Amino acid sequence: KAGVTQTPRYLIKTRGQQVTLSCSPISGHRSVSWYQQTPGQGLQFLFEYFSETQRNKGNFPGRFSGRQFSNSRSEMNVSTLELGDSALYLCASSLGGTAARSGNTIYFGEGSWLTVV
Amino acid sequence: QKEVEQDPGPLSVPEGAIVSLNCTYSNSAFQYFMWYRQYSRKGPELLMYTYSSGNKEDGRFTAQVDKSSKYISLFIRDSQPSDSATYLCAMSLIQGAQKLVFGQGTRLTINP
Repeated sequence: KAGVTQTPRYLIKTRGQQVTLSCSPISGHRSVSWYQQTPGQGLQFLFEYFSETQRNKGNFPGRFSGRQFSNSRSEMNVSTLELGDSALYLCASSLGGTAARSGNTIYFGEGSWLTVV
Repeated sequence: QKEVEQDPGPLSVPEGAIVSLNCTYSNSAFQYFMWYRQYSRKGPELLMYTYSSGNKEDGRFTAQVDKSSKYISLFIRDSQPSDSATYLCAMSLIQGAQKLVFGQGTRLTINP
């Protein structure tokens, strides 16, 4: 079955611009989360959506936002881009549901490489 | 201090060697422990998933969790050049939670 699909794979933006990244989860997965990966900070959790509702949020400024659609597809937006926002943005999906569910493996996409100049 | 500490390496070993990768953590509430492998310019893929303390074996890979010491390990036996990648430990409070806390990752190279 198809994995987590992220678009675009690579993009270059100018400081001050905004960017929207898209994620299509594995079919049947209802939980989608986003991570930022940088050489200095590693992988950091941005937020999680389940059934179109934000279920959890990391410690990022309000410039970082996201949403989930009824088909579980998700987008994340970064406004007023800064040089430090240059990173690999990873989307992950899982079945979600109750925390007690077993085998709730989290699958990652290949990421969107964002460069801010 | 980071919540999860992992030696970033790089670590270089000959083919066939036993590799030991480790992470320490400070939050005793973590219950679920994972190891991910990430190849260059790819997303992380789950290798091992362990609940609480104990060992888990899957082929050439063994994951160990020592909650009393807040220390987890991944052992790779009979290492292969194809194992060359960055290995990331990750932890969560709740089973299946998507909010994972990752270590910095250890870059591993297996030399033929």
